[in-house]
Formats: sequence, C-alpha cells, structure tokens
Amino acid sequence: ETGVTQTPRHLVMGMTNKKSLKCEQHLGHNAMYWYKQSAKKPLELMFVYSLEERVENNSVPSRFSPECPNSSHLFLHLHTLQPEDSALYLCASSQERGGLYNEQFFGPGTRLTVL
Amino acid sequence: QQQVKQSPQSLIVQKGGIPIINCAYENTAFDYFPWYQQFPGKGPALLIAIRPDVSEKKEGRFTISFNKSAKQFSLHIMDSQPGDSATYFCAARDLSGSARQLTFGSGTQLTVLP
Repeated sequence: ETGVTQTPRHLVMGMTNKKSLKCEQHLGHNAMYWYKQSAKKPLELMFVYSLEERVENNSVPSRFSPECPNSSHLFLHLHTLQPEDSALYLCASSQERGGLYNEQFFGPGTRLTVL
Repeated sequence: QQQVKQSPQSLIVQKGGIPIINCAYENTAFDYFPWYQQFPGKGPALLIAIRPDVSEKKEGRFTISFNKSAKQFSLHIMDSQPGDSATYFCAARDLSGSARQLTFGSGTQLTVLP
C-alpha cells in the first residue's frame, strides 16, 4: 500500500449506531487531518494531529471523536450521528518538519450515509 | 476573513479550450495558494501552487495567475483534454505563526467535451 488509505470506502449507518473510520498513511508523515466534504461546499477541516497530539479541533460536535494511536494511523469514531452528517470524510497527512509548505496528501475518502 | 470564494461552480468546455477558474480572498495573511484536482472516487491531489511573490506559475498545461493587489488568483488549463474533467479546488494557507489550516474554495466541476 502506498500513500494514504482509508477504510471503509462506503458506510451506511443508523443514527443510533457506533462506527469507526480508519486512515493509514504510508508516507512517513507526522501530521494527520480529518476533513468533511459536502456537495458544493468547501472542505471543512475537522481535526489535526501532529506527532500524535491533537493540535486543532474546529468546533466539531462531540458525536465525532478522533483517535491517533501513532503517527501512521488515525481513527474517527462516530456515535449517534445525524442525517446532516452524511458526507465524504477525507483523511490527509503532511510532513510538519522540513518542507516549508507542508503539502497535504489525501486519501480517497469514506462515503458516509446516515439514515 | 477566512473565506476563499471560487467561481464558477461548474464549467463545460470543448477539447482544446482554455477553462479559467477564479478565486478571491480577503485575508492578507494568506501567503501560499495551492490548487487541488479531484477525480470521482478519489481524494484531492495537489496540482500546482503559487506564492504571492510571483504573478504567474506554469507547470505543463496548467498556469496560475496571481494578482496580489486584487487578492485574486486563477487557474488556466491550456489545450484542455477530456482527461482534465474533474473538480478543482483553490485553497489558501496562512503561513504566519503555527497555522496549519488550508482554507478551501467550494470547488469547480470541470467537464471537457471530446
């Protein structure tokens, strides 16, 4: 596997379910991100982890809970979601040290549908 | 202050045409402007980026034009091909301090007809 991978690629869940999204980066990066992508809207940054420490949390509802056990893995735990949470959830990674512009590399996303 | 406004929302051109996508911003602290290309079923991928100390940057058929005084930048695709059909996002980053956020535009869905 190369780059940034995400599983599952598609997820359908009820409002009372608990599920988790997984992201893995194979690039040796030390920062990871969760974004929400909704149709015709800008990508919304949800969480940023740097060296496994959460450094930014953009007012995301508590029904979304991130976890970063190491610099290669990132999870997004989902609990009692709402239908308006249906979207494409994108994971990205970047190299915080060195490179001035810290290019972000994105995974293919998980298409989430909340019924 | 953090918004990046992108237009048009969608664009259809014939093969060989030159689609132009425009973005405007307000935050004068932005000093790095990447463009991302996203194909269906894929995540966005960095296409080309510019710093505000230059007015134009070319990479292959893709050109960014930057107007610092107007706080606008645009993407031009020369000799467009059907394989260029994708959604394009402009973005901007504030590199001062420890800011890590990319502020994205809302995207332009480009269709290049054969």
